Amino acid sequence: DSGVTQTPKHLITATGQRVTLRCSPRSGDLSVYWYQQSLDQGLQFLIHYYNGEERAKGNILERFSAQQFPDLHSELNLSSLELGDSALYFCASSVGTLNEKLFFGSGTQLSVL
Amino acid sequence: SQKIEQNSEALNIQEGKTATLTCNYTNYSPAYLQWYRQDPGRGPVFLLLIRENEKEKRKERLKVTFDTTLKQSLFHITASQPADSATYLCALGLYNQGGKLIFGQGTELSVKP
Repeated sequence: DSGVTQTPKHLITATGQRVTLRCSPRSGDLSVYWYQQSLDQGLQFLIHYYNGEERAKGNILERFSAQQFPDLHSELNLSSLELGDSALYFCASSVGTLNEKLFFGSGTQLSVL
Repeated sequence: SQKIEQNSEALNIQEGKTATLTCNYTNYSPAYLQWYRQDPGRGPVFLLLIRENEKEKRKERLKVTFDTTLKQSLFHITASQPADSATYLCALGLYNQGGKLIFGQGTELSVKP
């Protein structure tokens, strides 16, 4: 168990809908990262938050947004969902921001039908 | 263009042998490189981190090398066991990118008894 909690584990929804994925980092970790994993693209970095502030952005679509709350949990919001958004979404956490090993959650499997 | 490549084909070896996995990159100047293990349906698990000024790192049966001239890292598992069967991911950490990691597609390792 990595100590990172992601909910829900599975999510099935329809195109055009909006969903929210939730992540609770390990106790004491200030950084939260979101990654998307699909068979053809592999593990792709989406966004990084440190202590409530956005620190880095990857190829995150404009339809996607995230935030980190004062209690350090994070949410990833995906809207106007398309079939191609179906993937495994991972949250990871680390203590700081540099040269850190990441602790990954078990992921949320999103299926857009 | 920037690329990070791992052995695309699955690696099948006999128990007790040494498994060697390769990670090559182009047009990146990484500050460090990490290796993760991923089991089906689970999040990646951190194994080792090696910095650009380090040539080799060891941890129990694991050894990783980093050659910034060849732009290559090798990951070795000695005395391999069936429990080592998993997908192994390499990930680059870049300067001025905080904790953001660029992941390879992974190599699937199968260790037969």
